[in-house]
Amino acid sequence: GQNIDQPTEMTATEGAIVQINCTYQTSGFNGLFWYQQHAGEAPTFLSYNVLDGLEEKGRFSSFLSRSKGYSYLLLKELQMKDSASYLCAVMDSNYQLIWGAGTKLIIKP
Amino acid sequence: IAGITQAPTSQILAAGRRMTLRCTQDMRHNAMYWYRQDLGLGLRLIHYSNTAGTTGKGEVPDGYSVSRANTDDFPLTLASAVPSQTSVYFCASSGTSPSGANVLTFGAGSRLTVL
Repeated sequence: GQNIDQPTEMTATEGAIVQINCTYQTSGFNGLFWYQQHAGEAPTFLSYNVLDGLEEKGRFSSFLSRSKGYSYLLLKELQMKDSASYLCAVMDSNYQLIWGAGTKLIIKP
Repeated sequence: IAGITQAPTSQILAAGRRMTLRCTQDMRHNAMYWYRQDLGLGLRLIHYSNTAGTTGKGEVPDGYSVSRANTDDFPLTLASAVPSQTSVYFCASSGTSPSGANVLTFGAGSRLTVL
């Protein structure tokens, strides 16, 4: 079966750095996505990785290792507004998105 | 309208009733999707449409139907609602980002409670 694993919940301090991991087992791979979802709102696109390595976008970076079936989302200089759930999703060989259950990130002052 | 509009925002209905969730996009995206989101589970695809006039079944299609008469509209119908269909429903469409990724844009969601 296809599976995406990510931690259920993480806590971090304002101004700090946090890394949210995602491991996957899918039938084929056509890219990995990270979405942010604030409570009661829709998911919004954060990042996309299809090749190994680090993609940096401001305070957010996303890393991919296809051989390890592993990605992480790195958030720097945390702000209170970063409190949200972060969803990892992989596009499989049929171009269908497989979603993780999401990681709820709690930021404390 | 900017992006995707869903209606209603929330609804409580009795089991056995028929319900249609509406979804309209103004981005001229070809592909549209309906997902449900339940606590502790990832987004699950109900139905999708790759282009106007075509639809397909996703991971959890039973009890739901869709139609795609034109590019903009993609309604989801529950023919006879059951309590297990209590969920938050998200409509989405996909376009291509500058990086070439097939990125989803989501509507604000419809919270449905079936009693």
